[in-house]
Amino acid sequence: DGGITQSPKYLFRKEGQNVTLSCEQNLNHDAMYWYRQDPGQGLRLIYYSQIVNDFQKGDIAEGYSVSREKKESFPLTVTSAQKNPTAFYLCASRETGAQPQHFGDGTRLSIL
Amino acid sequence: QKEVEQDPGPLSVPEGAIVSLNCTYSNSAFQYFMWYRQYSRKGPELLMYTYSSGNKEDGRFTAQVDKSSKYISLFIRDSQPSDSATYLCAPSKAAGNKLTFGGGTRVLVKP
Repeated sequence: DGGITQSPKYLFRKEGQNVTLSCEQNLNHDAMYWYRQDPGQGLRLIYYSQIVNDFQKGDIAEGYSVSREKKESFPLTVTSAQKNPTAFYLCASRETGAQPQHFGDGTRLSIL
Repeated sequence: QKEVEQDPGPLSVPEGAIVSLNCTYSNSAFQYFMWYRQYSRKGPELLMYTYSSGNKEDGRFTAQVDKSSKYISLFIRDSQPSDSATYLCAPSKAAGNKLTFGGGTRVLVKP
């Protein structure tokens, strides 16, 4: 079945540690996105990529990094510079043109 | 003031009732309007996707957009307990452009 797979489902980070969240899609979508969701708040855009080897900062990129070496993969690294990383992280993708975004089932990151 | 506002709820209704959800926005440049449904601990699922003003119906769901009032509505007819979820509105300025999400409205449909 085609879809967007995020792993792991739950992730714990120690202080000062970088962690990487995985996002893989087999929908052949060109664009991919990373969002952060905090309780009671809407999703906020961290980074997005329209094509391979290219990506742009979203509204809250500080403390995060991404890469887009393959069309199907868009990993997100939460660095130690992100002081409040506890949140639900969502990856999305979409086809080119006037197509809406579709989401994976998220990774919940917590601080130990 | 947030760009997109939703009442957080919870909105509690009996099974079979009509659920009425609303969303207001401040940016007149928004042209495309999405509604997503999100179950607990899951990613958002696209429900409705509309362009500009007017109505769109899909099964039990109807989306309405009033750009003059900057007001978006979603109606769910014959509500079921499985409709219990958080509903997010997400307008955008252009097709494929970044989405601006409201905080979501939590809905509880009681059997």
